[in-house]
Amino acid sequence: GQQVMQIPQYQHVQEGEDFTTYCNSSTTLSNIQWYKQRPGGHPVFLIQLVKSGEVKKQKRLTFQFGEAKKNSSLHITATQTTDVGTYFCAGPHSNTGKLIFGQGTTLQVKP
Amino acid sequence: DVKVTQSSRYLVKRTGEKVFLECVQDMDHENMFWYRQDPGLGLRLIYFSYDVKMKEKGDIPEGYSVSREKKERFSLILESASTNQTSMYLCASSPNSGGYYNEQFFGPGTRLTVL
Repeated sequence: GQQVMQIPQYQHVQEGEDFTTYCNSSTTLSNIQWYKQRPGGHPVFLIQLVKSGEVKKQKRLTFQFGEAKKNSSLHITATQTTDVGTYFCAGPHSNTGKLIFGQGTTLQVKP
Repeated sequence: DVKVTQSSRYLVKRTGEKVFLECVQDMDHENMFWYRQDPGLGLRLIYFSYDVKMKEKGDIPEGYSVSREKKERFSLILESASTNQTSMYLCASSPNSGGYYNEQFFGPGTRLTVL
């Protein structure tokens, strides 16, 4: 079946270092969404990308949607301790429209 | 702001008990979802509903049922709880504009332990 995979599963960085998580779909996606879940919290919507090759920025976060609309990335510049959490990508199933979530990338930031 | 609330943050039940998890959203969203979250497995969809009294199975519906009698309320029912249903349960809602693709708003979650 259709799958959305994320790598890496875990990442430990020193505060100030950059961080990137990658999301790959087995099929072309109409859009991709990114969510952040703080420790002990619930997923919170960050952004949605729709167009092929789209790049969006939110302060130190840069989101990209691949040209083939099968992959996406989230890059954080100069991480801070407030960036700690699990980042999920999610894309709609091509037939049903249900969101399929990746397994998430858990980011730890050492001060 | 959209608010999605869940009836309990923590719940402990015994094997074989019938368990009800309630979810309420206050933004008049058409779509509501129940997920379970387990370490390393991400979010897995149990059931969802796109309208009152409508429901569709997600990826892991076995052992669960749902009820949506009112637009704002979506209940998840474990008919006979088992230990492998120990998990974090997350409810979400989203507005409908031609599909299920819109951003989802999540509740705080219910951590269920089945002994």
